[in-house]
Amino acid sequence: KAGVTQTPRYLIKTRGQQVTLSCSPISGHRSVSWYQQTPGQGLQFLFEYFSETQRNKGNFPGRFSGRQFSNSRSEMNVSTLELGDSALYLCASSLGGDTHDEQFFGPGTRLTVL
Amino acid sequence: AQKITQTQPGMFVQEKEAVTLDCTYDTSDPSYGLFWYKQPSSGEMIFLIYQGSYDQQNATEGRYSLNFQKARKSANLVISASQLGDSAMYFCAMREGRVAGGTSYGKLTFGQGTILTVHP
Repeated sequence: KAGVTQTPRYLIKTRGQQVTLSCSPISGHRSVSWYQQTPGQGLQFLFEYFSETQRNKGNFPGRFSGRQFSNSRSEMNVSTLELGDSALYLCASSLGGDTHDEQFFGPGTRLTVL
Repeated sequence: AQKITQTQPGMFVQEKEAVTLDCTYDTSDPSYGLFWYKQPSSGEMIFLIYQGSYDQQNATEGRYSLNFQKARKSANLVISASQLGDSAMYFCAMREGRVAGGTSYGKLTFGQGTILTVHP
């Protein structure tokens, strides 16, 4: 069974631009979560989608948004990029996103904002 | 207050020896899940082991076992017979069943991690 895939793996953008990251979950998984990982803040939860609906959201500004498609694939968008948005963005999938569901991560997209 | 605390920034172990990575957590929710992940330098998060709050027995997965002490709110990861390939960052994480009347769908709260170095 194929794992979680994320594209692109690396991105370099400049301040003020916007970026879209993509995530394809494990087949059969309907919950997709996104995380931001930085050396200073560690791993922080961005949001979770299930059946095309955002069910949970972390403490990030509105510049961070996402969506999920009917095939469970998800995209994350960051508008008006800031230097502090440079990070590893990880996507994770699980069957239902419930308390005891194991969550499997993709390889991540490393975003650099210049 | 930190929900997940990993007090060991770095740990060293000799190849073939066992090592314990500490994790304590804080929650008032009776239903929660505890997870351990390994993150090599490549960046990918690899799921290792899971323990549910209602599980009576400690979880085990191959060389990984979880020493779950519910009263102490600790969930330490034990790696037996360490291998060079075990050198990586290790994260403890928790998902709560319900947070302040809301939900915690999907949300894992992570500790700061422990860097494990295995020496030959």
